[in-house]
Amino acid sequence: GPKVLQIPSHQIIDMGQMVTLNCDPVSNHLYFYWYKQILGQQMEFLVNFYNGKVMEKSKLFKDQFSVERPDGSYFTLKIQPTALEDSAVYFCASSLKGDEQYFGPGTRLTVL
Amino acid sequence: GEQVEQRPPHLSVREGDSAFIICTYTDSATAYFYWYKQEPGAGLQLLMSVFSNVDRKEEQGLTVLLNKKDKQLSLNLTAAHPGDSAVYFCAAYTGGNNKLTFGQGTVLSVIP
Repeated sequence: GPKVLQIPSHQIIDMGQMVTLNCDPVSNHLYFYWYKQILGQQMEFLVNFYNGKVMEKSKLFKDQFSVERPDGSYFTLKIQPTALEDSAVYFCASSLKGDEQYFGPGTRLTVL
Repeated sequence: GEQVEQRPPHLSVREGDSAFIICTYTDSATAYFYWYKQEPGAGLQLLMSVFSNVDRKEEQGLTVLLNKKDKQLSLNLTAAHPGDSAVYFCAAYTGGNNKLTFGQGTVLSVIP
């Protein structure tokens, strides 16, 4: 099926630093998402992005979080500054019409 | 908003047996339902999507049943094999907010 790529696969940083997670979505997809999964727990929606704008965000999408997709390149999630509770696996997803979503392999973020 | 409860959290079956997972959702306006498979260290693989006007769908040894009256979605893997061992997630898509609401996941172990 369609492939979504995420870079890096793992990231370890110190609390308070900035981190950017990169997603290479399916080329013709128009909707982009970030989800957060803490180890052993369910996947939780963070944000969705369409036509250059955030459409909806959850309570987990704190003020320290931001997303963008400059010039159709990577869809990024930036956390600045990071906190210990941001440690999780972050999954990017993309969709053509907003319903069927295809997920990347995730980026495991560890905040020390 | 939509809530999805999934059970069982863990399921162990012998090779060749069936595995049954069920999800209960709350929003009767849910338009699409999905089953995803997550193998260790990997992203979510879309197994099957079901539109809300479908009661039953079968593909490649998987049977999905949708009971709209009781707001239940189930997945039955017939003749499970060790390669089916993974975490399975159901997800519901309502359409109004373009996000997926996931169940808690079921860890399936298929014993040879």
